[in-house]
Amino acid sequence: EAQVTQNPRYLITVTGKKLTVTCSQNMNHEYMSWYRQDPGLGLRQIYYSMNVEVTDKGDVPEGYKVSRKEKRNFPLILESPSPNQTSLYFCASRTYRTDTQYFGPGTRLTVL
Amino acid sequence: GQQVMQIPQYQHVQEGEDFTTYCNSSTTLSNIQWYKQRPGGHPVFLIQLVKSGEVKKQKRLTFQFGEAKKNSSLHITATQTTDVGTYFCAGPLFTGANSKLTFGKGITLSVRP
Repeated sequence: EAQVTQNPRYLITVTGKKLTVTCSQNMNHEYMSWYRQDPGLGLRQIYYSMNVEVTDKGDVPEGYKVSRKEKRNFPLILESPSPNQTSLYFCASRTYRTDTQYFGPGTRLTVL
Repeated sequence: GQQVMQIPQYQHVQEGEDFTTYCNSSTTLSNIQWYKQRPGGHPVFLIQLVKSGEVKKQKRLTFQFGEAKKNSSLHITATQTTDVGTYFCAGPLFTGANSKLTFGKGITLSVRP
C-alpha cells in the first residue's frame, strides 16, 4: 500500500531534550516536506527536500533541522525543543510529475 | 509573496443544507487542489483543477476553478455528517521540480444532525 508513515504518533517531552520524528514513504517520491499545524494558522511548511541531499527552508524553519540521506526517509530533528514547538506535525511527499501531496498520519508533539 | 486565502475559517450548517466555500489567490495559479482533513486525521487529497473555468464533481461535491485561475469554489449539496472536517485549498507557488504548495488556512465545517 502506498503510504507515508511517521513515528512516533504521539510524543510528550521536556524542554531541551533532543528528539527526532521519522518519516518514510514507499512511493519513490522525490519531494518531501514537513508541516506544522496550529489552530487558526493552517498548515505551515517547515522544511522541504527536492531530492536526496537537497533540503531547503520553508516558512517556519527556526528550531528545526532535517536530513535527506535516502530517498524514502526525511527525519525532522528538534535539537532543543521549546514549548512553542508544541504542535501537530505532518510529513508529506509528492513526485515531480504532479503537485499532489500525500500526507502522513501526523505526530502530535507536546513540549513541557 | 503568494497568498491563498480562505474565509471564513469556520462554518456551521444544518444537515441537508447546501454549503459553498471559496478560495482566492493573490496570483494566477497553474492548478488548484483541494484537501479534506477529518477530525483527528490528516489532509487527504480530493481533487485538482487545471483548466480555466473547469468544473469537476465528486458525488455531492462540486469544485470549480475560476476563469482567471485565481479563485476556486467547493460546493456541497445536501450536507451530511460525514462531510464534517476541514477543507483546504492549495496552489503551487512555482511549477515543476521547484513547485511549493501554498495552503489556505482551511475552513472547518460542522454539520448539525
